[in-house]
Amino acid sequence: DSGVTQTPKHLITATGQRVTLRCSPRSGDLSVYWYQQSLDQGLQFLIQYYNGEERAKGNILERFSAQQFPDLHSELNLSSLELGDSALYFCASSVGHFNEQFFGPGTRLTVL
Amino acid sequence: QKEVEQDPGPLSVPEGAIVSLNCTYSNSAFQYFMWYRQYSRKGPELLMYTYSSGNKEDGRFTAQVDKSSKYISLFIRDSQPSDSATYLCAMSAEVTGRRALTFGSGTRLQVQP
Repeated sequence: DSGVTQTPKHLITATGQRVTLRCSPRSGDLSVYWYQQSLDQGLQFLIQYYNGEERAKGNILERFSAQQFPDLHSELNLSSLELGDSALYFCASSVGHFNEQFFGPGTRLTVL
Repeated sequence: QKEVEQDPGPLSVPEGAIVSLNCTYSNSAFQYFMWYRQYSRKGPELLMYTYSSGNKEDGRFTAQVDKSSKYISLFIRDSQPSDSATYLCAMSAEVTGRRALTFGSGTRLQVQP
């Protein structure tokens, strides 16, 4: 158990819908990262937050957004969902600027 | 061409064998190197973390980094059936405040009892 929690574990929804994925980092970790894992693209970095502020963006679509709250939990919002958005979404956290990132169990999103 | 290349396998070995997993990369700015293990439908689990060139050992695992060749390796000694998983290499560059990881595609390992 990495100490990073994610909810929900599974999410099934229809095209065009909007969903919110939630992540709680390990106690004391200030940085939160979101990754998408699909069969054809592997693990891809989406976005990073550090202590409430956006720090870096990766291959995140404009339909996707995220935020980190004062209690350091983070939410990833996915809107206008398409079939191709079906994937595993992972959250990871780290202490400050260290590179050891610890991953949560993931949320499996299925878009029908 | 991908920044990080990793042989997808699958790699099948008998129990007790020494396993060698490898990644090559093209970005010379990468300085931090990690190996993760991922069981099916689970989150990646950090195994090894190294900075710059050299070796690091932790139990049955040894990580090697050769920056001159842009090549990293993970060795598993006395492999066990419980080591059967996908192994992902990951790396990042020294960019202030940004620690996003670039992952290899993963190598699937099967250790036969």
